[in-house]
Amino acid sequence: EVQLVESGGGLVKPGGSLRLSCEASGFTFSNAWMNWVRQAPWKGLEWVGRIKSKTDGGTTEYAAPVKGRFTVSRDDSKNTLYLQMNSLETEDTAVYYCTTEWAVATIGWFDPWGQGTLVTVSS
Amino acid sequence: DIQMTQSPSSLSASVGDRVTITCRASQSISSYLNWYQHKPGKAPKLLIYAASSLQSGVPSRFSGSGSGTDFTLTISSLKSEDFATYCCQQSYSTPLTFGGGTKVEIK
Repeated sequence: EVQLVESGGGLVKPGGSLRLSCEASGFTFSNAWMNWVRQAPWKGLEWVGRIKSKTDGGTTEYAAPVKGRFTVSRDDSKNTLYLQMNSLETEDTAVYYCTTEWAVATIGWFDPWGQGTLVTVSS
Repeated sequence: DIQMTQSPSSLSASVGDRVTITCRASQSISSYLNWYQHKPGKAPKLLIYAASSLQSGVPSRFSGSGSGTDFTLTISSLKSEDFATYCCQQSYSTPLTFGGGTKVEIK
């Protein structure tokens, strides 16, 4: 069974840091492009960032609101995706999901998704 | 950035109703459009990818259509388990963006 399990969420003060993890199983993690998506309270889904597979260059891309503060990384030996979040702001409060990005003929989609981990930024 | 606009933002429907949700992109995205179902406290679930391809295991009452800038998700006969929020997502270019969501509620 393909599964993604996030961990590491919690309460952090503004300006603080947090690292989220996402452990993958049931598929060849090293071949997958991995993404983080978040949902703030009462808001829609928002893409955070992506890391490509090492065979596709291992490059990262980020949404403008988090660029320079968040870093997506991966450890293929541990089948684990990470999101390092620094300089956290109250606007970063959200449930954070990791998801696998698949594609056929360059058209990509997210499947599956983890169950999410809640990050609350508050003083 | 490509803006995705969904309508309506919410709707009330009864079991057995035909439901149509629309998604409009701010520029042409060809068929780079996916649909997800999201229930509170659960992981989002892929329903339709590449505008009209049904994800494996998703019931055939779900269908998607459209290309360019205008897309539609249709539920042919609503079941009780379909009450949820539905959102579209473009994969044409980064930043990848989602529509605001359509909440389908019980009438």
